[in-house]
Amino acid sequence: GDSVTQMEGPVTLSEEAFLTINCTYTATGYPSLFWYVQYPGEGLQLLLKATKADDKGSNKGFEATYRKETTSFHLEKGSVQVSDSAVYFCALSLNTGGFKTIFGAGTRLFVKA
Amino acid sequence: DVKVTQSSRYLVKRTGEKVFLECVQDMDHENMFWYRQDPGLGLRLIYFSYDVKMKEKGDIPEGYSVSREKKERFSLILESASTNQTSMYLCASSRTRTGGNYGYTFGSGTRLTVV
Repeated sequence: GDSVTQMEGPVTLSEEAFLTINCTYTATGYPSLFWYVQYPGEGLQLLLKATKADDKGSNKGFEATYRKETTSFHLEKGSVQVSDSAVYFCALSLNTGGFKTIFGAGTRLFVKA
Repeated sequence: DVKVTQSSRYLVKRTGEKVFLECVQDMDHENMFWYRQDPGLGLRLIYFSYDVKMKEKGDIPEGYSVSREKKERFSLILESASTNQTSMYLCASSRTRTGGNYGYTFGSGTRLTVV
C-alpha cells in the first residue's frame, strides 16, 4: 500500500549545523510531496511542496527535491537555528481518483544554541 | 492571511459527555478534514468532507460523527466521550479533494482531555 517513511527522531543539532531529514515513499501513481512543520502547541504548517519528479521545493532556507528514481524527498537546510526546533512531517497526496493524503510519523528536531 | 480556526485550544470533558469541536475556514475551500494526533501514531484521519452536507469516513471514524451544514464550517462530534479519545484534534482544509497540488491549511489544534 501507499506509505511514507521518515527517519526516526529526535534529531539534535547545534546551531548553524547542516540538517537532513530523510523521507521515502511508496505510492501507486504520481504523488505530490510535501513537508509540514509543527511548532510546539500548534497545528501543522505547510513548509514546502513539489508536484512532479525533479521539482525542488524551497521555503525559509529549507529545500527538498522530488526524486522519483529513489522515491525520496529528503528535507535539507544548510544552517539551522534554534527557532527551527519543531516536528517535521513528510506527506504525499495522490492526484488520481478520490481522496488520499498520507503523513509520515514525524521527526522531532532539537537545535541547541 | 488565510485561516482555519478551531474554537478551543484546550478542553476538558467528562466521560459520557457529548462533545462538539468546531472548525471554520475563510478560504472558500471545498474540502475539510478532521485528524487526531497521538504520540507514536502520527496523524490519523477521522472524517472528511468535500462538499456541504457530504461526509466520508476516514481511517478511525468509530465514536465520532461530523456535520457540515455550511461550506466554511466543519464540526466533529464525540457522541459519548471516552478516555481513549483524549488527544490533539486537528482540522484542515484544502482546495482539492486530495490536497494534491496545494496542500492543507491546518488549524492550531484542540487538545481534548476526557476525565
